[in-house]
Amino acid sequence: AQKVTQAQTEISVVEKEDVTLDCVYETRDTTYYLFWYKQPPSGELVFLIRRNSFDEQNEISGRYSWNFQKSTSSFNFTITASQVVDSAVYFCALGVTGNQFYFGTGTSLTVIP
Amino acid sequence: NAGVTQTPKFQVLKTGQSMTLQCAQDMNHEYMSWYRQDPGMGLRLIHYSVGAGITDQGEVPNGYNVSRSTTEDFPLRLLSAAPSQTSVYFCASSYSSFYNEQFFGPGTRLTVL
Repeated sequence: AQKVTQAQTEISVVEKEDVTLDCVYETRDTTYYLFWYKQPPSGELVFLIRRNSFDEQNEISGRYSWNFQKSTSSFNFTITASQVVDSAVYFCALGVTGNQFYFGTGTSLTVIP
Repeated sequence: NAGVTQTPKFQVLKTGQSMTLQCAQDMNHEYMSWYRQDPGMGLRLIHYSVGAGITDQGEVPNGYNVSRSTTEDFPLRLLSAAPSQTSVYFCASSYSSFYNEQFFGPGTRLTVL
C-alpha cells in the first residue's frame, strides 16, 4: 500500500521562528519520488522540491531545507526564520511506478507577524 | 506560455446533471492528471494519462470519465453529478511520469446541489 502521512494538521509560529513540517511515507517500491508542494491562500499549487529514493542527500535552498531519511521513511521540510509569506498549506507527495501519485492531507502553516 | 489552464473556475450543478471540466497545457507534457481536493483529505488522483490515447484510473475514479485525444487536452467528464462530487478539481501536467514534478492548473470549484 502507498500512503503519505502528514500528522501535523495545523501549525502556528511567530515570524522568524524556525518550523519543521513532517512527512512520513509508505511504499514497497524501491524506486519512488518524493515531492513538496505549497498551496498559498490564493489556492494554486506550487512545486517546491523533488527527491528520488536513491538520493538521501539533504538539500538547502535559501531558507528552506529538506531532510530525507529512508531508514525512517521520512522527508521533512524545515523553514528557517519563517516569514508571513510562508503562510500556506504544504503538501508532501509520493510518486510511484505505475505513474500514480499519493498526497498527504497537508499541513496548514500560519506565520504570525 | 499559459501553462495549465482550466475552465470553468466555478460551477454549480444539480444532482444528475452532466458536465465536462476542461484542461489544457501548452508545455508539450506527456503526463496529465486530475485530482480532487476535499477538506482534510489532501489531493486524490482521479484519472491520469501518460500520452495521447492512453488513460488510466487513479485512486478515486468512480463517477468520472476522461479521454486524451491530443497531447494538449485532458477533459474530465462527470456523467451524473452527485453531491459527493462537490470538491475543488485540479488538473496537472508533467514532462513524463511519476518522477517529474507536476504543474497545476488554477482549479475548478464545483458544487453539486
